[in-house]
Amino acid sequence: KAGVTQTPRYLIKTRGQQVTLSCSPISGHRSVSWYQQTPGQGLQFLFEYFSETQRNKGNFPGRFSGRQFSNSRSEMNVSTLELGDSALYLCASSPLPGSGADTQYFGPGTRLTVL
Amino acid sequence: AQTVTQSQPEMSVQEAETVTLSCTYDTSESDYYLFWYKQPPSRQMILVIRQEAYKQQNATENRFSVNFQKAAKSFSLKISDSQLGDAAMYFCAYRAYGGATNKLIFGTGTLLAVQP
Repeated sequence: KAGVTQTPRYLIKTRGQQVTLSCSPISGHRSVSWYQQTPGQGLQFLFEYFSETQRNKGNFPGRFSGRQFSNSRSEMNVSTLELGDSALYLCASSPLPGSGADTQYFGPGTRLTVL
Repeated sequence: AQTVTQSQPEMSVQEAETVTLSCTYDTSESDYYLFWYKQPPSRQMILVIRQEAYKQQNATENRFSVNFQKAAKSFSLKISDSQLGDAAMYFCAYRAYGGATNKLIFGTGTLLAVQP
């Protein structure tokens, strides 16, 4: 079974631009979560989706948004990029939200650099 | 709010030796899940081991085991017979119990070096 895939793997943008990152969960998984990883703030939860609905959102500004499609694929969008948005963005999928101790499987991440 | 603390930014171990990574957490809940994730240089986050708080027995996965002390809110990871491939950043993580969320709260990580 294929793992979680994230595209693109690397992105370079300039301040003020917007960016869209994509995550395809493991086949059959319907819950997708996003995390931002930076050296200064560590791993921080962005949001999670299940059945095309956002279930939880972390403490990030409105410039960060996401959505999930009917095939469970998810995208996150960051508008008006700032230097501080440079980070590794990780996506994780699981069969259902909070179902027992279900393992969340992480993708390889998208490395975003904002110049 | 729940928090996870890893007080050891870096650790080093000789190949074939045993090392223990520390993690403490704070929560007012009685049921929850705890995890150890490994992040090698490739940045792919890999689950190492998980523990349900309602289970008293410590989880084990091959060379990896945990010492779960619920009253002390401590969740340490023991790696036995360390191998070069164990070198990575290790994150301790907490997740609430129940079906409301998959949100993981991570500690700051411990960078483990394995010396040949």
